[in-house]
Amino acid sequence: KAGVTQTPRYLIKTRGQQVTLSCSPISGHRSVSWYQQTPGQGLQFLFEYFSETQRNKGNFPGRFSGRQFSNSRSEMNVSTLELGDSALYLCASSPRTVYGYTFGSGTRLTVV
Amino acid sequence: GQQVMQIPQYQHVQEGEDFTTYCNSSTTLSNIQWYKQRPGGHPVFLIQLVKSGEVKKQKRLTFQFGEAKKNSSLHITATQTTDVGTYFCAGRFMDSNYQLIWGAGTKLIIKP
Repeated sequence: KAGVTQTPRYLIKTRGQQVTLSCSPISGHRSVSWYQQTPGQGLQFLFEYFSETQRNKGNFPGRFSGRQFSNSRSEMNVSTLELGDSALYLCASSPRTVYGYTFGSGTRLTVV
Repeated sequence: GQQVMQIPQYQHVQEGEDFTTYCNSSTTLSNIQWYKQRPGGHPVFLIQLVKSGEVKKQKRLTFQFGEAKKNSSLHITATQTTDVGTYFCAGRFMDSNYQLIWGAGTKLIIKP
């Protein structure tokens, strides 16, 4: 079956712009989480959604937002981009929050 | 907030030597998951441990969950070049809305 699909794979944006990243989970998976990963850093948790409801939110500024649709697809948005937002953004899905997550290949965002 | 401490940050081994990474929490975990991220890749789910004192094996990998459910370890016997990568633990806490809290990861480096 198809894995977790993230689009786009690569993105270059200018400081001050906004960006929307998309994640299509594995069919039947209702839990979606987002992470930010920078070189040499671990995984920084952004959001966790289950059945369109945000269950948990990480310690990121309000410029970072997300949502989940009725078909479990999810988007995250970053407004007023800063240079420090350059990172690999990973989406992960799971049938339920109590199971392990399957990660997508990520979207590599570069802010210039 | 809840934290999962993972050590060491790096481990250099000769091919054929063993490797161990440890995760510790100050409070009881509901369960703990382990992931592997190859260089340039995304995290891949390895296993989830739920029961106190649980030990699970996957070929040369042995995963343990402490009796008090506050610590866990991953041990690799006779490392191979294919084991190279960063190993992350991630624990769920019952009193944090079951948010998955990640360790910082241990990078396994095989000495040439």
